[in-house]
Amino acid sequence: DIQMTQSPSSLSASVGDRVTITCRASQGIGIYLAWYQQIPGKVPKLLIYGASTLQSGVPSRFSGSGSGTDFTLTISSLQSEDVATYYCQKYNSAPFTFGPGTKVDIK
Amino acid sequence: EVQLVESGGGLVKPGGSLRLSCAASGFTFSDYSMNWVRQAPGKGLEWVSSISSSSSYMYYADSVKGRFTISRDNAKNSLYLQMSSLRAEDTAVYYCARGRGSTLYYFNYWGQGTLLTVSS
Repeated sequence: DIQMTQSPSSLSASVGDRVTITCRASQGIGIYLAWYQQIPGKVPKLLIYGASTLQSGVPSRFSGSGSGTDFTLTISSLQSEDVATYYCQKYNSAPFTFGPGTKVDIK
Repeated sequence: EVQLVESGGGLVKPGGSLRLSCAASGFTFSDYSMNWVRQAPGKGLEWVSSISSSSSYMYYADSVKGRFTISRDNAKNSLYLQMSSLRAEDTAVYYCARGRGSTLYYFNYWGQGTLLTVSS
């Protein structure tokens, strides 16, 4: 099975900073990659699918890129409401594995 | 408005069985894949199982294969997860999630979750 990894596992940044999270697949998955945000105590929320397509209603400061094995989620200007854990998920074929998550908080 | 409401969680002894349900509303249930994702206390998200819109395809994580069975009733707008041979490591909040399409397995709507605790 394809393994999903994320880096870093956690980060602390200032409001207004540009934040980048990396997701890697152990084998190529094309662009079948989604990103989710889970705010503490809340249900996960879909941010991006198809590696780079922004889900409706998601702020434009979020963006995704990549294909194959290497993917990136970028928050262009971190806001306090972005404090959350971010997960990537592959969906090219089963198992539809999530990455281990990246916890983002404010410095 | 899309709504997914899970039920059936609770406290079960190791080796026991339980069935989770998810009642869906606000969309044409039979048009979408449906999925179960779990989250152990303080841990990350773990995909558990998926079923295509017409039940033609069912998928399971290795951790639950042979113990869990996913099913759906499109006439009742309901998704189920029959769980047996439960283990302590199955303790988690179980989320019902709607796929983006009939055979697309990323999730744009989630329920609030139901907690399963496996303990003696």
